[in-house]
Amino acid sequence: QVQLVQSGAEVTKPGASVKVSCKVSGCTLTDLAVHWVRQAPGKGLEWMGGFDPEDAETIYAQKFQGRVTMTEDPSTDTASMELSSLTSEDTAVYFCATAKNRNTWYSFNSWGQGTLVTVSS
Amino acid sequence: DIQMTQSPSSLSASVGDRVTITCQASQDISNFLHWYHQKPGKAPKLLIFDGSNLETGVPSRFSGSGAGTEFTFTITNLQPEDVGTYHCQQYNNLPFTFGPGTKVDIK
Repeated sequence: QVQLVQSGAEVTKPGASVKVSCKVSGCTLTDLAVHWVRQAPGKGLEWMGGFDPEDAETIYAQKFQGRVTMTEDPSTDTASMELSSLTSEDTAVYFCATAKNRNTWYSFNSWGQGTLVTVSS
Repeated sequence: DIQMTQSPSSLSASVGDRVTITCQASQDISNFLHWYHQKPGKAPKLLIFDGSNLETGVPSRFSGSGAGTEFTFTITNLQPEDVGTYHCQQYNNLPFTFGPGTKVDIK
């Protein structure tokens, strides 16, 4: 059973960056394709990007291009998402999510618990 | 980007009721659609994949149907633990996009 455990809540200022981590257990990171989804307060889910195993590359939603970096450290089975140039519009809960395996990488069967990022001056 | 809409945005029903939610895509997505359930303060949980397939361990009172641009999600015999928000997600095209959600509560 894949489990994803995320880093704790963050409070940060406009213009700063934030990095959220996602530790994988029950499987190795290289068997999965981790994606990131965020949810602003009272709003719906928004896909930010993740690993596309078909093209072996990380893909980002155009909305976040140039401002987001998603990385993976296989040695620690940890995925990370860094978002820069933060504004109050980035206040949200950030989730990492993954499929059971890379064949169905677009189906998010397992989710982290979520990390609240608050951007406030 | 493919726009996803859901209706209704919220509903209130009694235990044992049949509940139906619709999801519409702005263009043909075949059956490349998932349904998730999200309880307050929790992460979403995948219930239905590929439009109509029940995820392992999900009760059979949940079902999905549809293809193209129109999809339906049904709960038969609504239970108290079914409260929360239901989201549809398309994966036919990148970026993956979600519907705005349908909030379900118990009368």
